Amino acid sequence: DIQMTQSPSSLSASVGDRVTITCRASQSIGNYLNWYQQKPGKAPKLLIYAASSLQSGVPSRFSGSGSGTDFTLTISSLQPEDFATYYCQQTYITPPTFGQGTKVEIK
Amino acid sequence: EVQLVESGGGLVQPGGSLRLSCAASGFTFNSYWMYWVRQAPGKGLVWVSRINTDGSSTRHADPVKGRFTISRDNAKDTLYLQMNSLRAEDTAVYYCVRVEAKVGASEIDAFDIWGQGTMVTVSS
Repeated sequence: DIQMTQSPSSLSASVGDRVTITCRASQSIGNYLNWYQQKPGKAPKLLIYAASSLQSGVPSRFSGSGSGTDFTLTISSLQPEDFATYYCQQTYITPPTFGQGTKVEIK
Repeated sequence: EVQLVESGGGLVQPGGSLRLSCAASGFTFNSYWMYWVRQAPGKGLVWVSRINTDGSSTRHADPVKGRFTISRDNAKDTLYLQMNSLRAEDTAVYYCVRVEAKVGASEIDAFDIWGQGTMVTVSS
């Protein structure tokens, strides 16, 4: 199975901050990388697919980049509703695997 | 409105069985591959099972292979997960998920619609 490793595991940030989360795959996955946001007690929500494509309805402050093994999710200006846990996922090879998550907390 | 609604979770003793259901609405159910993904309390997301559009092809994660069976009834727009020989480590929220093949430079699967989840607790 492909291992997905996110860093950091958690971070503290303030409203308006620029936030960057990284995700590394254990082997090359091209651009078969998705990002999800999960709020406590809720189901995950798709934010970014194919490494850099914004899912319909997702604010443009979210962006993704990368290919191969190294990927980044960036929130350009953190908003109160963005405090959540973020997961990357590869769908290059079955089984699809997720990173361990990055919890974004209020500073 | 595109929606997935799970049911069937609950408390079960080790070795017991449960059947989860997921009712789909607002989209053409038989056009999509479907997955079950679980999340143990305080932990991350883990794929459990997947099924193709007509139910002819299924696959299960190693920890549940031989104990869980995914199926679907396209006439009823419903996905199922039959869980047998349950263990404490199966305790989790189980999500029903629609997978969309996003077409671009390459076709990429994305988990675009999630149900609200149903809690399964395995304990004596």
